[in-house]
Amino acid sequence: NAGVTQTPKFQVLKTGQSMTLQCAQDMNHNSMYWYRQDPGMGLRLIYYSASEGTTDKGEVPNGYNVSRLNKREFSLRLESAAPSQTSVYFCASRTGLAGEDTQYFGPGTRLTVL
Amino acid sequence: SQQGEEDPQALSIQEGENATMNCSYKTSINNLQWYRQNSGRGLVHLILIRSNEREKHSGRLRVTLDTSKKSSSLLITASRAADTASYFCATGPIPSKIIFGSGTRLSIRP
Repeated sequence: NAGVTQTPKFQVLKTGQSMTLQCAQDMNHNSMYWYRQDPGMGLRLIYYSASEGTTDKGEVPNGYNVSRLNKREFSLRLESAAPSQTSVYFCASRTGLAGEDTQYFGPGTRLTVL
Repeated sequence: SQQGEEDPQALSIQEGENATMNCSYKTSINNLQWYRQNSGRGLVHLILIRSNEREKHSGRLRVTLDTSKKSSSLLITASRAADTASYFCATGPIPSKIIFGSGTRLSIRP
C-alpha cells in the first residue's frame, strides 16, 4: 500500500496563477484533510471531508477550494495564488469510524508563490 | 486561534534526560493525540488518549490527560538523538475536525 500520496512534491507559481494539489489514499478511509504548515509553525486546517460527498471549512479556508472527487481522492485548488499562500501543504486521511482517529499523512507539497 | 497550544515552544535537553511537553486545548474532546514531525517530513502518529483515560503508556512515551484543566502532557523518557523532532498535539471540537497545536521543537544534545 502506498498510503497517502501527494502530487506535485514541489511547485513554484507566480502571483495570480492557479493550480490544483492532488491527494490520494489507498486505505479505504472515509475522511480526508488538507493542512498548511508555514515555516516554524504548526499545521492549520484548510478544509476537510468527513466522508465522500461532503466537505467543510477548517481554520483557514479563504483562497482555497476543494473537491472530494471520490473516496480515494481529495484535491485542493488555489484559484489565484498569493505570496501569503507560500507554505507546505499536507494531505491526511483517517478511517472516519468512531473511535479510530489516527491520521495518516502524505509527504507534503512545497509551494512557493512569487 | 488554534485548538491546541503546546508549551514550551522549544526544548533542548541532554541525551538520556527526560523531556516533558504540554498541550492545552479549548473545547470538550473525545480524545487527544500526539504526533511527531521530523524536519521536512509529514507527521507520524505517536499515541492517542481518550477523554475517559487519565494516563497512557507506549514504550518510552507517557501521556497524561486532565479534562478538568483541558490539558495534556507528553513525557519522553531516556531521550535519544533520534527523538529530535517537533511534537504536536491534536484534537477537535467534533470528531471529524482535527486541529493541531503550534508544536514543541525538541532538540537532543549528545
